[in-house]
Amino acid sequence: QQQVKQSPQSLIVQKGGISIINCAYENTAFDYFPWYQQFPGKGPALLIAIRPDVSEKKEGRFTISFNKSAKQFSLHIMDSQPGDSATYFCAASIRAAGNKLTFGGGTRVLVKP
Amino acid sequence: EAQVTQNPRYLITVTGKKLTVTCSQNMNHEYMSWYRQDPGLGLRQIYYSMNVEVTDKGDVPEGYKVSRKEKRNFPLILESPSPNQTSLYFCASSPNQGLGNYGYTFGSGTRLTVV
Repeated sequence: QQQVKQSPQSLIVQKGGISIINCAYENTAFDYFPWYQQFPGKGPALLIAIRPDVSEKKEGRFTISFNKSAKQFSLHIMDSQPGDSATYFCAASIRAAGNKLTFGGGTRVLVKP
Repeated sequence: EAQVTQNPRYLITVTGKKLTVTCSQNMNHEYMSWYRQDPGLGLRQIYYSMNVEVTDKGDVPEGYKVSRKEKRNFPLILESPSPNQTSLYFCASSPNQGLGNYGYTFGSGTRLTVV
């Protein structure tokens, strides 16, 4: 049973467009929600993260929106660039429980020039 | 350079032949963890360690062993590998910052094929 469900599995967007990736979780004890970006042949790298006491966090072109009542959070990539083409993973953890991350299944994003 | 180093990057082995994948970090991080990545399943935690001599099972620990004798090293041991352990493996480390924000630093991965 996957505790963090991510959609879509893949996404194609034109350069300059908006990429939106959605995640839903089940465990209400989760209190930290990071997004990781992974390029081919590389390990995932932390992109941006949010805590549930905040509804939105923005860093550059990347924004996390968080809806605690719906147990959903999403990543928006504004003005998508070809260099953003990568696989994106949402994750959730309980910070007091040893930093154990539970990942979503991943979304492969392709930004066309 | 702050990093997590895994070796080897690629490994092909036969069923039942014991193997060890090494992991070392140079950031003095307390937390270390092993994940396997399979298509459509994301990354699943195998084992994690909160500090030296403190390890615990993750979501998919069957068939794996770990040890944490030194803070910087966290090897993953497959005593008797089977084909269903063919996967991409990542080691990761993170500081213990209490309830503050933190993130994992991942290694570059080890692609293991068991035939």
